[in-house]
Amino acid sequence: DTEVTQTPKHLVMGMTNKKSLKCEQHMGHRAMYWYKQKAKKPPELMFVYSYEKLSINESVPSRFSPECPNSSLLNLHLHALQPEDSALYLCASSKIQAWEQYFGPGTRLTVT
Amino acid sequence: GENVEQHPSTLSVQEGDSAVIKCTYSDSASNYFPWYKQELGKRPQLIIDIRSNVGEKKDQRIAVTLNKTAKHFSLHITETQPEDSAVYFCAASPYNQGGKLIFGQGTELSVKP
Repeated sequence: DTEVTQTPKHLVMGMTNKKSLKCEQHMGHRAMYWYKQKAKKPPELMFVYSYEKLSINESVPSRFSPECPNSSLLNLHLHALQPEDSALYLCASSKIQAWEQYFGPGTRLTVT
Repeated sequence: GENVEQHPSTLSVQEGDSAVIKCTYSDSASNYFPWYKQELGKRPQLIIDIRSNVGEKKDQRIAVTLNKTAKHFSLHITETQPEDSAVYFCAASPYNQGGKLIFGQGTELSVKP
């Protein structure tokens, strides 16, 4: 398997909801990333996990909570989001940090 | 911190022509420069990359050149086809920052048949 997969493809949630985004890869990569992308803008890095440990947090608000349960799986837990958090959330993975990053298809999130 | 500027923001070419997109970076310690292609509604797709110990890299119709002294790198697409139409992002990865990618603002390439 040479792909990064993400579920769900689309998510609509209210500001009081709790939801989770899921990312999976079976390429044996040991670094995984969460990015946020607004329309017509480049991806912005949120978090980096290396060997299942949080390596980088780009000062992301605590309403976003990442989790890496194992080397293949990355979750992003969402709670009390704001409408401005509506965006495409992309997961990426690489063999190790600082190597080529491969993106998943993203989850299109709408916060109402 | 690193800053990447990308030009032009839009580029329209006739099918068969060449297209060139340029990026400049600010941090001389950056050592990895990937290019991503993102079609509408799709994921960013890594199309080519170059490391700072190499000046040029080619893969079929696409090539990337790097000038470390001037701190700029460019994407060259030859014999463009309508399926090359997409947004292209350059990025720079500062040395020893955990693989962090700093992206340019993107170039929307349109190839007219």
